[in-house]
Parts: sequence; structure tokens; C-alpha cells
Amino acid sequence: EDQVTQSPEALRLQEGESSSLNCSYTVSGLRGLFWYRQDPGKGPEFLFTLYSAGEEKEKERLKATLTKKESFLHITAPKPEDSATYLCAVRVNNAGNMLTFGGGTRLMVKP
Amino acid sequence: DTAVSQTPKYLVTQMGNDKSIKCEQNLGHDTMYWYKQDSKKFLKIMFSYNNKELIINETVPNRFSPKSPDKAHLNLHINSLELGDSAVYFCASSDSWTGVARGYTFGSGTRLTVV
Repeated sequence: EDQVTQSPEALRLQEGESSSLNCSYTVSGLRGLFWYRQDPGKGPEFLFTLYSAGEEKEKERLKATLTKKESFLHITAPKPEDSATYLCAVRVNNAGNMLTFGGGTRLMVKP
Repeated sequence: DTAVSQTPKYLVTQMGNDKSIKCEQNLGHDTMYWYKQDSKKFLKIMFSYNNKELIINETVPNRFSPKSPDKAHLNLHINSLELGDSAVYFCASSDSWTGVARGYTFGSGTRLTVV
């Protein structure tokens, strides 16, 4: 069974304090790993797609990386507006366009 | 102009009632989904429709029935609501031609509370 595990469940940072969120996965055949941001009361918002080990994507203070077993979302010098829940999801072989999500990491950045 | 819109945003109802949630997308996507997000924030696929045809039907009770009148709409009807159905339900869409490269576009969710 495909599994996606995110850690930590919650992370408190001071503004400017860089850190990383982890998404580890056990799947039969990875066709893509996705990162989303979810704000309270809203639907998840797409951030990145990664396809193969060694791939990296960046957007403002966020950088996503991928290995054969896990993905990291690095947050550099975060600001309070980066506070949100970050979700990762995988698309696997023989599952069409279905995404399997992890439980998310709730990030809180204090000024 | 909202890309994926769900109605209602909040729904409070008594056990045993029947209710519907509506979803519409104006992105021209050909695949739509219903996901359930529980209190621990896990998002789980319920149904997927491609061009009005059911593609995925995960293990959900028969009380849940999706209906897609056209590829821009996917509604969810729930019969005989139970306390355990309380959750946030998200509609999403994607374009199969791009292989969901940009992931899904989600609606803002419907918070269902069964009392």
C-alpha cells in the first residue's frame, strides 16, 4: 500500500529562522510528488511538482527537493505570512491521476 | 472569477437527513474529484470522474453518490447522514492532457457538521 508520511506534524519558527519539512514516501512507482499549501478555511494551493530524484524547484523562500525515499521543503528566512499547513502528495503508477496525501505539517512563523 | 467553486461552504444538519454539495469548475478540465479531509487534516480520495465517467470509487459507504451532469460539474449526494460524516469535503479538478503536472485545483471546501 502506498504511504506518505510528513514530519513534523507542527513546527514553530521565529521569523527569519530557516528550517525544513519532510515528506517520506513508500510507493510502488512514483510518477510525481506534489507540494501544496493550505491556509485555514481554504482549499490546498499547488506549489511544486517533482518527478525524479535530484530534482529541485524554487519559489520565493521555498525550495523543494526530491530523493528516492523522501522530499524536503526548505523554508529560508520565513515570514509570518508563510504560516500555513503544507501538504505533500504522490501520484503513482496504475492510479491514474489520483493523488495520495500525507497528513501535513502545520507551520507557524512568529514575528 | 473562481476556478473551482463549491456550495454551500458550511452545512449543518441532523443525523438521518439527506444533503447535496455542488461543485463547478470553469477551467476546462476534464477530470474532477471529491476528497474528504478529516479532523487530522488527512485528505482522502472518494471519487474521480473523467468526462462524466466514474474512474475511481474508493471504499466509501453507498450512502455517498456522486453525479456528473457534464464535465464542468460534479455533485455529491449523501443519504442518511451519520455523525462520522462530519468533515470538510473538497472538490478538485485537473487536466488529464497535462498529466496533472500542475496538480489539482481545489475548491474552498464544504464543512459538513452532522448533529
